[in-house]
Amino acid sequence: QSALTQPASMSGSPGQSITISCTGTGSDVWNYNVVSWYQQHPGKAPKLMIYEVNKRPSGVSNRFSGSKSGNTASLTISGLQAEDEADYYCCSYDGSSNVFGTGTKVTV
Amino acid sequence: QVQLVESGGGVVQPGRSLRLSCAASGFTFSSYALHWVRQAPGKGLEWVAVIWYDGTNKYYGDSVKGRFTISRDTSKNTLYLQMNSLRADDTAVYYCARDGYSSVGLDYWGQGTLVTVSS
Repeated sequence: QSALTQPASMSGSPGQSITISCTGTGSDVWNYNVVSWYQQHPGKAPKLMIYEVNKRPSGVSNRFSGSKSGNTASLTISGLQAEDEADYYCCSYDGSSNVFGTGTKVTV
Repeated sequence: QVQLVESGGGVVQPGRSLRLSCAASGFTFSSYALHWVRQAPGKGLEWVAVIWYDGTNKYYGDSVKGRFTISRDTSKNTLYLQMNSLRADDTAVYYCARDGYSSVGLDYWGQGTLVTVSS
């Protein structure tokens, strides 16, 4: 049950787009369309941004989108805004349990 | 509105036990799977355990398997995490979360409760 691999940090200017990757171990992301993404601001609980690879919960901006190719899932943030500065985590089912990614700090 | 409120955290010595609670309101408790997720100070999220909506299935992360037990009481709309044989590396903020989509889409989270394991 190893953590999914994410880049430690990414940055972008307001209005730009960034894509955060989430690479699985072969028994998780590849096998299941059960990938979710969470945004966490300092001192706050995580917030669900994407579920089932590419679905957005009600109330989440359409600037956030998800995708998957093979063993890697991705979260794209379009039109970066100052409020998007936060930590982002992916999460996947691996057949018997769930595993989070290592987390990515996004700086705007 | 949906609310999840954790309690029971505190300072505990290594090897001792602690039970966390998560009081739920604003939704049909018996219709959703519930998870525990933890976050060590300055670290990332770690999935701990899940219990299905009807309590029939429970799954655990490798680091807590055999030491932690997840349970739920529908009559009290409360989720529990019994933590035994606590270790220093169990120190973390523990969150309970609702699985709103039956696919690890954790749509509501509590505010978290801090557990510190130290002598």
